[in-house]
Amino acid sequence: SQQGEEDPQALSIQEGENATMNCSYKTSINNLQWYRQNSGRGLVHLILIRSNEREKHSGRLRVTLDTSKKSSSLLITASRAADTASYFCATWSQGNLIFGKGTKLSVKP
Amino acid sequence: EADIYQTPRYLVIGTGKKITLECSQTMGHDKMYWYQQDPGMELHLIHYSYGVNSTEKGDLSSESTVSRIRTEHFPLTLESARPSHTSQYLCASSESQLSSYEQYFGPGTRLTVT
Repeated sequence: SQQGEEDPQALSIQEGENATMNCSYKTSINNLQWYRQNSGRGLVHLILIRSNEREKHSGRLRVTLDTSKKSSSLLITASRAADTASYFCATWSQGNLIFGKGTKLSVKP
Repeated sequence: EADIYQTPRYLVIGTGKKITLECSQTMGHDKMYWYQQDPGMELHLIHYSYGVNSTEKGDLSSESTVSRIRTEHFPLTLESARPSHTSQYLCASSESQLSSYEQYFGPGTRLTVT
């Protein structure tokens, strides 16, 4: 069963702009993770935010978590063409990570 | 780059053939996973393992089987491939089964069954 769901499904922006992706989930969580997947490749872990954290930064990435709304957002600032990829949120459910369908980000040079 | 490897990267095979997708990691991780992912879609967990001699089925029913004889090796086998098995298969590992640990993914095997 799907735990996380990303929005939008696809996002196209120009280089230098900011990209915001949202994730909604259904059940209570201990933490939420974001992953990135380049076309045809495996996923790479980006950042983990715990349920008692509201915001976390890592380089050009900013993640927020609102447990009352069961939602998280991933902001990529000053995007680059190399940021073109799919981005997935993942939450823990019944002992395993459950991934959403992802947001496909396209950054045009 | 994570130290987790999958072979082959691409495989085209005829219906009815037996295939084994290899996955190895050099990080000493106990927990390993197999996911199936259709293009542009979410990942579905099909198998996982807590350690040597441990294998469990995931959320998505799969006709494949797995084995875990060594910590570093977690192969997936399809006894008789069918076109419905065409997909990308991703192997992953994590240091622990606790939720606070990230998963490390291999590059994937793209399987096409004709």
